[in-house]
Amino acid sequence: DVKVTQSSRYLVKRTGEKVFLECVQDMDHENMFWYRQDPGLGLRLIYFSYDVKMKEKGDIPEGYSVSREKKERFSLILESASTNQTSMYLCASSLIGRMGTEAFFGQGTRLTVV
Amino acid sequence: GESVGLHLPTLSVQEGDNSIINCAYSNSASDYFIWYKQESGKGPQFIIDIRSNMDKRQGQRVTVLLNKTVKHLSLQIAATQPGDSAVYFCAEITHYTSYGKLTFGQGTILTVHP
Repeated sequence: DVKVTQSSRYLVKRTGEKVFLECVQDMDHENMFWYRQDPGLGLRLIYFSYDVKMKEKGDIPEGYSVSREKKERFSLILESASTNQTSMYLCASSLIGRMGTEAFFGQGTRLTVV
Repeated sequence: GESVGLHLPTLSVQEGDNSIINCAYSNSASDYFIWYKQESGKGPQFIIDIRSNMDKRQGQRVTVLLNKTVKHLSLQIAATQPGDSAVYFCAEITHYTSYGKLTFGQGTILTVHP
């Protein structure tokens, strides 16, 4: 079974803190994604990566950065957390290139910024 | 901008009935679609996919229909069960060269009453 693991289920951080969300996948997938999920807005893409050290901005990259130093690990960084970044964060991975490649999701990290 | 969206945000059905969840998309270049199911407290889980060169695909108790003329996608669930209660998302893959970037709709909440 494909496994995408996010390091925390729940996090509470203070405004202004630097926050790291970690994601690890065990299927040797090239693509990895970070989404945030908010009620009524569905899943919105923050960043994605198609290879080690490669990254592309998604639809809402402002206030976030990412790191992909190893193929299996994709980190989302909130440089200075703000209350409007309170959300559910979902990591996903998929194989590169071929049509019909589904993405596999982690269980999510619910981040609260106070 | 391009978007993938759902007509109905909520759907309530009786156990044993058939369910139909709809999705409209606006990107005429979309070439691949996926339906995901998300249960409470979990990440989205793949249900079924369809390529743009198809108009119907069947799985176990589920059928996806694609109408490219009106840019409409639907998910049919036969003999709906309480375990089918979840949020259902349609997603579109946009291929940038060889990357698979998922764009999600807002989601439909399906509630199955025993």
